[in-house]
Amino acid sequence: SQTIHQWPATLVQPVGSPLSLECTVEGTSNPNLYWYRQAAGRGLQLLFYSVGIGQISSEVPQNLSASRPQDRQFILSSKKLLLSDSGFYLCAWSIPSAGHQPQHFGDGTRLSIL
Amino acid sequence: SQQGEEDPQALSIQEGENATMNCSYKTSINNLQWYRQNSGRGLVHLILIRSNEREKHSGRLRVTLDTSKKSSSLLITASRAADTASYFCATDAGGGAQKLVFGQGTRLTINP
Repeated sequence: SQTIHQWPATLVQPVGSPLSLECTVEGTSNPNLYWYRQAAGRGLQLLFYSVGIGQISSEVPQNLSASRPQDRQFILSSKKLLLSDSGFYLCAWSIPSAGHQPQHFGDGTRLSIL
Repeated sequence: SQQGEEDPQALSIQEGENATMNCSYKTSINNLQWYRQNSGRGLVHLILIRSNEREKHSGRLRVTLDTSKKSSSLLITASRAADTASYFCATDAGGGAQKLVFGQGTRLTINP
């Protein structure tokens, strides 16, 4: 069966520090991968998605970047964190298909910027 | 951008009652999906309804879709305390990347 791992679960970082959040998927090949951010009490905002190794699409201009160095690894990064980067970050995957597929989510990383 | 708008934003009912949540969207869709999120956790997929479907059932869940009104509803029958969570609708406009646009969610509380 497929599983998705996201770490760390919580992270407290000072303003101006770098960031690296990692997400890995097991049990499937060539998944679509997604990074979302969720503000408290709100819905999810899609930040990045990837349909293959090295292929990254950005949905909103921001202080963050994403990379996909391996088929089932998706990394969210920042060189210098801002206060506004605080939030709950979720990684998800789906089966690439022209049809109808749900997304499967990790347990998220709660990021607090001080 | 947020396409889905859920209504109500919060709902509190007694255990055993039915809970109905509504979702409206703005653009054409390939399918609409409902997800559940327990506090501080990731989202769990509940049900997917295609644009050519009008109703779908899964256990105690019933989803309807009205593409002419660009709206969907999620009904949870015989609610349980464990159903307490936030529920989100998400729309897929099609395309290979299967991007979803999420609504703001409905916070459901089931009182024992």
